[in-house]
Formats: sequence, structure tokens, C-alpha cells
Amino acid sequence: AAGVIQSPRHLIKEKRETATLKCYPIPRHDTVYWYQQGPGQDPQFLISFYEKMQSDKGSIPDRFSAQQFSDYHSELNMSSLELGDSALYFCASTPLRDTEAFFGQGTRLTVV
Amino acid sequence: GQSLEQPSEVTAVEGAIVQINCTYQTSGFYGLSWYQQHDGGAPTFLSYNGLDGLEETGRFSSFLSRSDSYGYLLLQELQMKDSASYFCAPYGGATNKLIFGTGTLLAVQP
Repeated sequence: AAGVIQSPRHLIKEKRETATLKCYPIPRHDTVYWYQQGPGQDPQFLISFYEKMQSDKGSIPDRFSAQQFSDYHSELNMSSLELGDSALYFCASTPLRDTEAFFGQGTRLTVV
Repeated sequence: GQSLEQPSEVTAVEGAIVQINCTYQTSGFYGLSWYQQHDGGAPTFLSYNGLDGLEETGRFSSFLSRSDSYGYLLLQELQMKDSASYFCAPYGGATNKLIFGTGTLLAVQP
């Protein structure tokens, strides 16, 4: 069965650089969530999309932006990277108001 | 606003039963989900309670009491592979915001 695909799996960037993380949800899933998980921390909700429109915002820094495209894939753009942005970034997808979210394997971002 | 509370760590032995509690304060509450996450892995869905009472799925059961804003995850016949973090996550329904609790790190010992 198709799963949520995230790319890249690993990314190393320098401070002040820009990073783009991609998420390909499960087909026919119209809702996408993004999370940031620091070492030893719980997943922090960043932002969600439904039918290509932003539907909810969490603790997403102003330096980050995200969008969902016509093919339902989503991208998280991170600018002016800081050391504290080093974390695992997860994307999850679900059909609207379904109670089970399916997570991708995550992108591990390291800022040096 | 929203707040969630879980114990930070729980230790148990193989074959035992363990209960992980979750208390929540949130608006627009529809139900409570539970997720398991192994170290370095992705969260995976375990169960969902949309109604008060107990839901059983194999060795795992989950309980919800809306009047007490409380739920728990019960793991039976513990196995070493159950060592992981467990998160409760209230489901808002009307909003697309799946928020995780602080997580409980379960260590299963031989």
C-alpha cells in the first residue's frame, strides 16, 4: 500500500541557508500536517492544509512557509536557518476528519 | 488554548500490564487518539476513542471519559518491542490540528 513519502530523508544546511522539504501524501488524502520534532521532544504541530488551502497554524516560525500544490503534495520552505531548526520534520496525511493520520518517515534536518 | 498531560516515563517488565494516562483541556473536542513512536521512527496510529468507554485492539486498549477529560492507553502482555514513546492526541474534528501530548517513554525490561 502507498505510504506518505518525504524527501529528502536527510539534509545538512549551513546557518542562514534555505531548505525545502517535500511531502507526497497518500493518494486521495486531502489533509496534510507538518510537524517538527527536536531531540527528546514531542512532535510540534506546525501547519496543516486541506484541499490545498491552509487550514490551521501551530508554532510555525515566520521564517517558515508552506503550501500544498494541485497534485496535493506539500512543501515546507525554511529560510534563514538557525542551529535550533535542527530536528526531524514529519509530514502526515489523512482523509478529511478521519481519525487516523499516516506519517512519513521524516526528514532529518541538520543545521551547522 | 489546549493542554495535555502524560507521565514522562514508565517502566515495566515483559508480560506485565501498563497503563498510560492522559488528561486534556481543549476546545472543540471530538475524540482522543493514541500514537506509538519508536526512537528515530515515525509516529504510528494505535487507537481512537470517539465515545466514552473502552476500545480494544489486540493487546492494546484505550479508554476515554469525556466528563473527566481523561483517557488512558492500556498495554497488556508487554513485549520488548513495545519500548517506545506513546502520545495521546486530541482530535478536534472541526479543525485540522492534530496536537500531540508530551509523550510517555515506556521502557520494557526483561
